[in-house]
Formats: sequence, C-alpha cells, structure tokens
Amino acid sequence: AQKVTQAQTEISVVEKEDVTLDCVYETRDTTYYLFWYKQPPSGELVFLIRRNSFDEQNEISGRYSWNFQKSTSSFNFTITASQVVDSAVYFCALSDAGGTSYGKLTFGQGTILTVHP
Amino acid sequence: GAVVSQHPSWVICKSGTSVKIECRSLDFQATTMFWYRQFPKQSLMLMATSNEGSKATYEQGVEKDKFLINHASLTLSTLTVTSAHPEDSSFYICSLSRLHTGELFFGEGSRLTVL
Repeated sequence: AQKVTQAQTEISVVEKEDVTLDCVYETRDTTYYLFWYKQPPSGELVFLIRRNSFDEQNEISGRYSWNFQKSTSSFNFTITASQVVDSAVYFCALSDAGGTSYGKLTFGQGTILTVHP
Repeated sequence: GAVVSQHPSWVICKSGTSVKIECRSLDFQATTMFWYRQFPKQSLMLMATSNEGSKATYEQGVEKDKFLINHASLTLSTLTVTSAHPEDSSFYICSLSRLHTGELFFGEGSRLTVL
C-alpha cells in the first residue's frame, strides 16, 4: 500500500523567512510519480510540481525548490523568502505510474503554512 | 483558464435529499475521472475511479449505493450523494486524466452542507 507522510501539521513563519515542508513516502512500485499541490482557503488545488521516480534532479521554480531523495524516500519542498500569499495548505501526493492508476493520488495529511507579515 | 468545471461550487440541502455534482472537462477528452472527498482540516481521500461507459470502481469503505457515479461521456462525470445526511457534509473534488497524455486536472471543488 502507498503512504505519504507530512510530519509537519502546521508551520508559522514571518515573511521573508525560508521554509521547508517535509514529505516522506512509501511505495512498493519502482515507477511512480510525486506531486505537490497548494490549497488556498478557496479550496481549489493548485498544481505545483510532478516528478517521476527516475528523475532525481532537484528543481527550482522561482522561489520554490524541490529536493527529491530516493534513498530516503523524501520529496521536500522549500519556499525561499516566503510571502503572505504563500499561506495555504500544502499537500504532497503519490501515484502509480501505470494506466488508470496514474490519477489515483494518495495524499499526505497536508501542512498548513501561515506566513505572517 | 480553467480546463475542468465543477458545479455547483457549494450547495446546502436538507437531510434525506439527494444532491448531484457535475464535473466537466472543457477542452479535452478525459479517459478517467476520479472523485475525492475532503473533510474539514483533513486530507483528500479517493472515493472512486470512473471510466467512460464503465461502472465506477469504489475505494474500500465508500458506499456504492450512496455515492452514485455516472461517467456517461468523455467530458462529463457526475457524483450523486443520495439521501444525504449531515455526516456527508464535505468538500468533494473531481480530477480528470487527459486522454493520451495522462495529465491530471482538478475541479474547483464542491462544498456540500447537509442540514
């Protein structure tokens, strides 16, 4: 069975601080996908990144960066110079890579990030 | 712009009534659609997977007769919460897998409140 653990339930930072959201996953599959989504108070899920299990390169997109460590089954997300607009719930998710399983996401519990001015 | 339209975005109903939620892909064909439920301050849990023209596959613990899913075309899936009760109050979100590419898109979600 697949499992995603986001150990940090809530994080509170002051604007301009860097913050890292942790994500650890479990799967028996050799091929899988990892995702991060942002859920603002309005509720819709905002896609941030998708990474397949064969691509361990770290990725940077503006103030966002992701560190994928297959050896420790972790896919951590860092926001540099956080802003108030980053306040939201962030979910890490995992899916199989094959067929219709691709869309079946197992979500972590979510991390509530609050950025104070 | 949005590629998935989910409607209604919120609904309030009386206990015992049925509520239908629509999930529509606006500019592509979706092979597979997924329905998730999110209780307040909790994570998203997959309820069921549906393929066009086939019966939906429900996750363990999800009542098939209570949550009716119809995937009549490659662009529309509906979730009907039958005989709704207050414990069914939740945020329901659909997800679509795009034909050929498998890209995933989420609807905006529907917030159901059962009085």
